[in-house]
Amino acid sequence: GAVVSQHPSWVICKSGTSVKIECRSLDFQATTMFWYRQFPKQSLMLMATSNEGSKATYEQGVEKDKFLINHASLTLSTLTVTSAHPEDSSFYICSVRTSGRAYEQYFGPGTRLTVT
Amino acid sequence: GQNIDQPTEMTATEGAIVQINCTYQTSGFNGLFWYQQHAGEAPTFLSYNVLDGLEEKGRFSSFLSRSKGYSYLLLKELQMKDSASYLCAPLDSNYQLIWGAGTKLIIKP
Repeated sequence: GAVVSQHPSWVICKSGTSVKIECRSLDFQATTMFWYRQFPKQSLMLMATSNEGSKATYEQGVEKDKFLINHASLTLSTLTVTSAHPEDSSFYICSVRTSGRAYEQYFGPGTRLTVT
Repeated sequence: GQNIDQPTEMTATEGAIVQINCTYQTSGFNGLFWYQQHAGEAPTFLSYNVLDGLEEKGRFSSFLSRSKGYSYLLLKELQMKDSASYLCAPLDSNYQLIWGAGTKLIIKP
């Protein structure tokens, strides 16, 4: 399977600041990347899907101006949480998929965001 | 609509066998995944079934019946490290994973 990394693994920020989370596919051409959010004891919630070089497609209820996603290359996607608030505190997980192999989806280790 | 139904929590004894059931309803179907998720960590892949029947992989086996919208994950020779949440996730017609809340498995000595 693919190796997917996320950075940082955890971050604490103050309310009103912005935080950038990186997702890297180390040995896999990530033509599609997914960003999930998971609150404690809840299921994974898909936030957005991005294809390399294209704008991300956001799920209903996810503010695209607040959660900025950039998928500039086959190995890197970033999620920026702008003007973070305490309710944005969550576990953010990226996953990657490559073209033609839709049944293979690999997850990063996740980023724990705490907004104070 | 799309729906996943799994037990919320199960308890089993170290060394025993446990079966975690999952029923699903999706818009189209392109296979079903089982993932393991330890607390505070991302999901890790366990199995993928696209055809009916049983797939065995070491201590873990996964079964699928597409006509019944049913799958199960069978864990044998349970170890304490198997304490985790187990997520059943079918792949819909758009190749999107559909997630439920998962089953929290507690292993007791």
